[in-house]
Amino acid sequence: EAQVTQNPRYLITVTGKKLTVTCSQNMNHEYMSWYRQDPGLGLRQIYYSMNVEVTDKGDVPEGYKVSRKEKRNFPLILESPSPNQTSLYFCASSPDREHEQFFGPGTRLTVL
Amino acid sequence: AQSVTQLGSHVSVSEGALVLLRCNYSSSVPPYLFWYVQYPNQGLQLLLKYTTGATLVKGINGFEAEFKKSETSFHLTKPSAHMSDAAEYFCALGGGGSQGNLIFGKGTKLSVKP
Repeated sequence: EAQVTQNPRYLITVTGKKLTVTCSQNMNHEYMSWYRQDPGLGLRQIYYSMNVEVTDKGDVPEGYKVSRKEKRNFPLILESPSPNQTSLYFCASSPDREHEQFFGPGTRLTVL
Repeated sequence: AQSVTQLGSHVSVSEGALVLLRCNYSSSVPPYLFWYVQYPNQGLQLLLKYTTGATLVKGINGFEAEFKKSETSFHLTKPSAHMSDAAEYFCALGGGGSQGNLIFGKGTKLSVKP
């Protein structure tokens, strides 16, 4: 089944404790992206990747890092999480930037 | 600059009534437009998309949307609401940015009354 998977689905952590949210897609898509969803703000792009080893900042990149060492994986790294990063995070992939994006199930992160 | 505006953060309809969710966009290049649906505690699922060609687009679950360039609109409709349509709906704009990202509206939560 074609899909985007994320792990973990739920995470509660404390300020400053480094964490990684994994994202993997099995559709051989070139393009991958991370969004955060906050009430009343919709979805905002954090980082994106056009291809392996090519990543760039989205609209709200502060406090996040990403890497794209393999085509299928695009982990999101929070080196020192803060409470304002409490949010619902979605990973998405697409064949290219002109097609619809396929979304993972989301990761609900709470930073205390 | 590209932007998407969804009119109405909450819409409530009765079961069997027409569903109309409004979306207006601003884009300096030909837009790609999408409607996504998000059910509680789930990810986003594509309902339908407009890229080029026919301006009336049919999607899943009986939804359709019409691209109107002159009105910069892409409203989502369904003739008869079902209880299972209760969800949050997002209009998204793509195609114009170098980032390749989708610009999302803030969402419209649809409630369906029995």
